[in-house]
Amino acid sequence: AQKVTQAQTEISVVEKEDVTLDCVYETRDTTYYLFWYKQPPSGELVFLIRRNSFDEQNEISGRYSWNFQKSTSSFNFTITASQVVDSAVYFCALSEAGNTPLVFGKGTRLSVIA
Amino acid sequence: DTEVTQTPKHLVMGMTNKKSLKCEQHMGHRAMYWYKQKAKKPPELMFVYSYEKLSINESVPSRFSPECPNSSLLNLHLHALQPEDSALYLCASSHVAGVTGELFFGEGSRLTVL
Repeated sequence: AQKVTQAQTEISVVEKEDVTLDCVYETRDTTYYLFWYKQPPSGELVFLIRRNSFDEQNEISGRYSWNFQKSTSSFNFTITASQVVDSAVYFCALSEAGNTPLVFGKGTRLSVIA
Repeated sequence: DTEVTQTPKHLVMGMTNKKSLKCEQHMGHRAMYWYKQKAKKPPELMFVYSYEKLSINESVPSRFSPECPNSSLLNLHLHALQPEDSALYLCASSHVAGVTGELFFGEGSRLTVL
């Protein structure tokens, strides 16, 4: 069975600080996909990134970066120089190959204080 | 702005009422989804439609009845709901069902059952 653990329930940082959101996953499949979504107060889930299990390259997109480590089954997300607009709930999600639905972690609520 | 439009944004209904939630996308996606999200919890999958056919029903009570009239529209008919059904109902779409691409989410319909 697939499982996603986001151990940090809530994080609070001061603007301009860097912050890392942790995600640990479990799966028996060798082919799987990992995702990060952002849920601002408005409610919709905003896609941030998808990574397949065969691509361990880290990715950077502006102030966002992701560190995928298969050896530790982790897919951590770092925001550099955080801003108030980054305040949201962030979900890590996993889907195994085939027609399987996304399994979400419980989410991490990030509050960035001005 | 999200490309998945959900109406209404807010709905209050009594336990004997019949109401519907609507979702629309014009991205040519052939898979559409309903998720339920309780406060401070991750989204939980309810239904998946693939090419206008119901492909996944996650053991959802029959008081929730999905309908996919065409590839752009997805409805969720509500009847005889319980107060514990109060939640944010999120619609999503993807190119095809499965994990080859991201899910695009709407802003959700916040339902309160009195």
